[in-house]
Amino acid sequence: AQSVTQLGSHVSVSEGALVLLRCNYSSSVPPYLFWYVQYPNQGLQLLLKYTSAATLVKGINGFEAEFKKSETSFHLTKPSAHMSDAAEYFCAVGYYKLSFGAGTTVTVRA
Amino acid sequence: DAGITQSPRHKVTETGTPVTLRCHQTENHRYMYWYRQDPGHGLRLIHYSYGVKDTDKGEVSDGYSVSRSKTEDFLLTLESATSSQTSVYFCAISDQGEGGQPQHFGDGTRLSIL
Repeated sequence: AQSVTQLGSHVSVSEGALVLLRCNYSSSVPPYLFWYVQYPNQGLQLLLKYTSAATLVKGINGFEAEFKKSETSFHLTKPSAHMSDAAEYFCAVGYYKLSFGAGTTVTVRA
Repeated sequence: DAGITQSPRHKVTETGTPVTLRCHQTENHRYMYWYRQDPGHGLRLIHYSYGVKDTDKGEVSDGYSVSRSKTEDFLLTLESATSSQTSVYFCAISDQGEGGQPQHFGDGTRLSIL
């Protein structure tokens, strides 16, 4: 069984501030973990993935995530938010079938 | 961008009518998936396919059927649409289905059932 919990359905940050999106997972096997971003009226785009190599994973658009097995977490961060980061973000866990979290909407204040 | 085309992009229909959504890929990927997206639920898997004529159920499969007669096409059918099936439907594809291979998504179909 596998599942994902995203803490916080909505996050508001100032432009230039740290973005932190939280994801906790449960999995009966070593997990593969993903972060996706969705812009309005579009499909999901892959930001980054963890597949048991380095625990700190770098993705596109300056995002990175750290896998912490002891905390069953895979939080997403970006040091400095940009207006273009406003979107919905989804954490997912799985092998060939993925389970998605409910999503976190990010708004960026000027 | 992965070559995934969903059709139609928008559809409005009435309760009780049959509806078929199409997903077409040009990547020759083995795995194809249908999800629905609803506020507060993220994406939920409806059905998936791991090869031609090979399909299996996801977590919300009731009321839906699928078919895959060619590698490139994966059809989702609502035999008798209900208002609870109003949603945004996404198709995704994945190469080989092995762990670590990400899924790539189409742009979605917005389906409204009145």
